[in-house]
Amino acid sequence: AQSVAQPEDQVNVAEGNPLTVKCTYSVSGNPYLFWYVQYPNRGLQFLLKYITGDNLVKGSYGFEAEFNKSQTSFHLKKPSALVSDSALYFCAVRDVGKLIFGQGTTLQVKP
Amino acid sequence: EAGVTQSPTHLIKTRGQQATLRCSPISGHTSVYWYQQALGLGLQFLLWYDEGEERNRGNFPPRFSGRQFPNYSSELNVNALELEDSALYLCASSLKYSNQPQHFGDGTRLSIL
Repeated sequence: AQSVAQPEDQVNVAEGNPLTVKCTYSVSGNPYLFWYVQYPNRGLQFLLKYITGDNLVKGSYGFEAEFNKSQTSFHLKKPSALVSDSALYFCAVRDVGKLIFGQGTTLQVKP
Repeated sequence: EAGVTQSPTHLIKTRGQQATLRCSPISGHTSVYWYQQALGLGLQFLLWYDEGEERNRGNFPPRFSGRQFPNYSSELNVNALELEDSALYLCASSLKYSNQPQHFGDGTRLSIL
């Protein structure tokens, strides 16, 4: 069965510093991987996807993610964090139409 | 371009009642998905509709059902409501192909008293 795991419930980073939110996956076949962000009382906003091709994927709002097949990871990164990046982040893998989500990581960016 | 719209924003029901949640997809999207986001349980897949047909169903009891209309909008119906059905219900839409991202609405907050 397909699954993703986000090993950190919360990540704290200072504004201006680089940030990483971790995700590992377990799939049979080629993975279709996604990152989403959720702000309070809102739905999920799509950030980026990996389907095939370059291992470094660039997305919205300056975010990028690195696909690593040998480590089965798809970590979300940003070179310089903003306070407004503080939110709940979800990694997901596509499986027969549906998305299977990780448990989510709360990102806290402090001024 | 209008995003995915869901109605109502909030819905308050009592145990045993029935709830109907509605979703309008992004124009041109034929697939609609429903997810439940319950406290402590994360995001769980409920249903997937494409071109009017149910394509996949998550591990939920039969009292959770839905349909998709010819204009691709969708309804989620929950019968015999239980307290644990209290959650945020999110609808998403996408183009037909599996490599396309799903785009989400802001959800319907269902509270069971």
